[in-house]
Amino acid sequence: NAGVTQTPKFQVLKTGQSMTLQCAQDMNHNSMYWYRQDPGMGLRLIYYSASEGTTDKGEVPNGYNVSRLNKREFSLRLESAAPSQTSVYFCASREDRGKVGSPLHFGNGTRLTVT
Amino acid sequence: AQSVTQLGSHVSVSEGALVLLRCNYSSSVPPYLFWYVQYPNQGLQLLLKYTTGATLVKGINGFEAEFKKSETSFHLTKPSAHMSDAAEYFCAVSEKNSGYSTLTFGKGTMLLVSP
Repeated sequence: NAGVTQTPKFQVLKTGQSMTLQCAQDMNHNSMYWYRQDPGMGLRLIYYSASEGTTDKGEVPNGYNVSRLNKREFSLRLESAAPSQTSVYFCASREDRGKVGSPLHFGNGTRLTVT
Repeated sequence: AQSVTQLGSHVSVSEGALVLLRCNYSSSVPPYLFWYVQYPNQGLQLLLKYTTGATLVKGINGFEAEFKKSETSFHLTKPSAHMSDAAEYFCAVSEKNSGYSTLTFGKGTMLLVSP
């Protein structure tokens, strides 16, 4: 049971380059999320998708776009990377339809450095 | 709007000592509350959660937390620390009655355990 799988694990970009972070879950969850983690800031929500075909902005969406490709996959795209986007990115999923208080399940993260 | 405050970015204890990690929340409706643990270079894992019912919640690895509505707190405790408990701990809140609610995380507390 793989859970939530993120690729790549590490990435170095130059300012202005673009890239897509991939995320897939095999738990048949409805909701998927992208967070970024920075020292002393905790986790901040970038975008989320409550169900296939819908996406919504979170706390820090500027500079990012997302695609909910199907129920399993939710990708995060940086169109023009900036040094401020150096961070660890986590994808998560949750089965919350009809299940009170269902927790998030996290991937192992993508460590992105923008120089 | 919901928010989470974790008191102390770092907590140091000796092996065998009591662990107490503090979490206070703000929510306009009765909340769901979670504690997650993050080991180095890994994603977040669920330790325990409070939804309804008993206010003392037991989780994995001997941790427990008590929901105190009057104090808007959800502190995490463990009677006797082990070296393997060294990690970063995150408290999170999610509001009820929100069809596709998101989790809001605190900034985290790093637990250091010395021999």
